[in-house]
Order: sequence, then structure tokens, then C-alpha cells
Amino acid sequence: ETGVTQTPRHLVMGMTNKKSLKCEQHLGHNAMYWYKQSAKKPLELMFVYNFKEQTENNSVPSRFSPECPNSSHLFLHLHTLQPEDSALYLCASSQGPGQGDEKLFFGSGTQLSVL
Amino acid sequence: QKEVEQDPGPLSVPEGAIVSLNCTYSNSAFQYFMWYRQYSRKGPELLMYTYSSGNKEDGRFTAQVDKSSKYISLFIRDSQPSDSATYLCAMRSGGSNYKLTFGKGTLLTVNP
Repeated sequence: ETGVTQTPRHLVMGMTNKKSLKCEQHLGHNAMYWYKQSAKKPLELMFVYNFKEQTENNSVPSRFSPECPNSSHLFLHLHTLQPEDSALYLCASSQGPGQGDEKLFFGSGTQLSVL
Repeated sequence: QKEVEQDPGPLSVPEGAIVSLNCTYSNSAFQYFMWYRQYSRKGPELLMYTYSSGNKEDGRFTAQVDKSSKYISLFIRDSQPSDSATYLCAMRSGGSNYKLTFGKGTLLTVNP
């Protein structure tokens, strides 16, 4: 276990559904991240939170809405997704910018399928 | 030109072989270089972490960075079937810039 837990592991949703992905880290880190991993593409950074404040939104469509209530929990709220949003969504955490060598610890991901 | 280029493979080797995985990059500001291993249906896990040029060894794994050529390598000695996974290179510039740029990953299969 990496200390980063993601739920659910798998999610199938229709384009009109609303769902949320959850991430929890038990490492005492201050920064949390959402990444998207699609087949044959590099990992794409979506959002970064540092000490609960969003510090990065990498031009992500508004149908993805992140929430970080505290340094240990991160959510990704999904609504009116498109089939091309089907991918593995990975949560990661690190000590925080400027806090060290910025090693990322990833969860196992949520495999999302949009029908 | 993409910032980080990595041959996606797949790469298939017999057990015991020496494996060489490589990435090239174009951004001369990159200073920190990482290799992540990702098993099927799992998230990436950090395998090797190096700063600037040089070699770093950890057991059967050696990471090599050549900043003058903008080329990094991961060598796996005495490869095992348990090494079968996708290997991702990642890198970032220094200071407070925490953004990692990843390669696409190389799928490695070690056959018993």
C-alpha cells in the first residue's frame, strides 16, 4: 500500500450522471493531485492542491470539479461527462511544493468508463 | 518536438536478461529525474529518483542521467518475471516547480 487510497476502483456512468471520486492520503502530506491516464498518452496533470488551496487547474473542462476539504482528502466531482473522458483517474500526494524533493505517491486509481 | 519521448514498446525479454529503458527530453531546465513502475490495474510507484547527471544504483536497478545528451536510462539486471510492468520516466525542473512531465511509458514483459 502506498498510503493513498482511492474509491471506487471502477466506475461506469452515463453522460447525464453525476458521480464523485474520492481520495484519502495517510502520509501527512500537504499537496494532493489529480492526474488522468489515457491509453497511449502520458499522464496528464489536472489539478493541484497545496495546503487545501487549489494552485493548479490545467485547463480542465468544467465538467470536472475538484474539492479539497482538508490536506488528507480530495474529491473529483463528475457531471455530464463525454465518452472521451473514459480513462484511469489517479490521485497522488507529496510533501508539498518547496517542502522537499517532491516525490509523488499515487493511489491505485479509478477506472472510469463513460457510456 | 514532444518534451519527453519514450518508446512505448512492448519489450519482451527472457528471465535473467539485462533490460535497458530510455527516455529523451528537450527541456534543458529539467533537473530531477524519476522512474516509476506501474503494474496492471495499479497506480505508478516511485522506483528511482536522481538529481542532475550521474548514476544511481539500488539493488538490481541503475538509473543513469546524461544531461548533456538529454537522455536518461534505467537498467534492470537479472530481470525477473515480477519486473513485468509499465515503466514511466518523469522529470521536472528545480526550485518550487512541482510539475512532473511524464513519458508515455514502456511496457516490459519478462518471460520465465
